[in-house]
Amino acid sequence: RKEVEQDPGPFNVPEGATVAFNCTYSNSASQSFFWYRQDCRKEPKLLMSVYSSGNEDGRFTAQLNRASQYISLLIRDSKLSDSATYLCVVNIVNQGGKLIFGQGTELSVKP
Amino acid sequence: EPEVTQTPSHQVTQMGQEVILHCVPISNHLYFYWYRQILGQKVEFLVSFYNNEISEKSEIFDDQFSVERPDGSNFTLKIRSTKLEDSAMYFCASNPSTSTDTQYFGPGTRLTVL
Repeated sequence: RKEVEQDPGPFNVPEGATVAFNCTYSNSASQSFFWYRQDCRKEPKLLMSVYSSGNEDGRFTAQLNRASQYISLLIRDSKLSDSATYLCVVNIVNQGGKLIFGQGTELSVKP
Repeated sequence: EPEVTQTPSHQVTQMGQEVILHCVPISNHLYFYWYRQILGQKVEFLVSFYNNEISEKSEIFDDQFSVERPDGSNFTLKIRSTKLEDSAMYFCASNPSTSTDTQYFGPGTRLTVL
């Protein structure tokens, strides 16, 4: 089983759509959770950290379910500029800060 | 806003040659990392570094790889004898305090081994 598994993409949506990404992780010692976005051939950039209570940042909402080892990201009112690959990332306790990345889900927002 | 910088942006080398990739982490950060991403694949952890020593390394980070913080600002990744399969984007990252804080990534060095 992959350490971090994401929805296979790509997701092609019209502007204004709501889109949801799912992610599962296998290691119960995972302690920090993030969504990063990556534009083509660029570095990963932090979109948001994910907290147990769930958190929202503008159009973006992240949820974490530790019991199910499941993380989600919801994007509302999607914009053309949201087109990117979304990376689910976990950090495992006592492993020197090592981040484990999912393979990413590509999002393409069309006019 | 402070950024992680990396040089060069693109490095082309012949198989068997040594390469050194350079990174300048954000100045008050204490934890440093190297990751790589082979074209079309996921980002993979290579090594973490804290207090002038390696904290954790992956199976990829074998004897051909080494890291160094030669002064107060630079953090380097050396590949002693490059292989074709070392061709990838190499990203440096840093974070300020505990190893669970958000990591900030540099723009990457694209390494092409011919």
